[in-house]
Amino acid sequence: GNSVTQMEGPVTLSEEAFLTINCTYTATGYPSLFWYVQYPGEGLQLLLKATKADDKGSNKGFEATYRKETTSFHLEKGSVQVSDSAVYFCALSDRANAGKSTFGDGTTLTVKP
Amino acid sequence: KAGVTQTPRYLIKTRGQQVTLSCSPISGHRSVSWYQQTPGQGLQFLFEYFSETQRNKGNFPGRFSGRQFSNSRSEMNVSTLELGDSALYLCASSTDTPSTDTQYFGPGTRLTVL
Repeated sequence: GNSVTQMEGPVTLSEEAFLTINCTYTATGYPSLFWYVQYPGEGLQLLLKATKADDKGSNKGFEATYRKETTSFHLEKGSVQVSDSAVYFCALSDRANAGKSTFGDGTTLTVKP
Repeated sequence: KAGVTQTPRYLIKTRGQQVTLSCSPISGHRSVSWYQQTPGQGLQFLFEYFSETQRNKGNFPGRFSGRQFSNSRSEMNVSTLELGDSALYLCASSTDTPSTDTQYFGPGTRLTVL
């Protein structure tokens, strides 16, 4: 079956540091890949997505590239802000079951001023 | 467009009771999925409904059930509540168009079972 593995957290960075959160996946076929962000007490917000190999998703300074050869979708941001502190989830869905997403365990990011 | 809405936002129940949670999808979205989020198990898929039919089901006991109405609104029910059912229950909707399979999530319902 499908699975998503995220780097173990938590991650603590200083403001303006570079961020990388690793994500690798196992899936049959050609899944779509997503990063979601969850702030305390809230639901999940879609951060970015990519639907095919070599696609780059980007939003609010965050980027991730769909790497089929390494089955990875690492999240990066060049300069983090305190307001980026949240839990980040990598997820995938396959076309045959688009309504059934598989999530990683989540990575808690804390950015200190 | 209004986002996915879930009601109520918070619930406190006791063991053995039953509970019904409601989800209104984004207008035009026909697929509604439910997830359970707990600190120990993370995000786990419960079930998905499309056009009033359950299309996918996760590995949860029969105490967890759901339904979808003709206007795409969905409800999930948990009977005979157990302490372990305490969780954040998230609803997500999507258009179910193959090229746009993105799920959009509501704020969740926080269920506490005492």
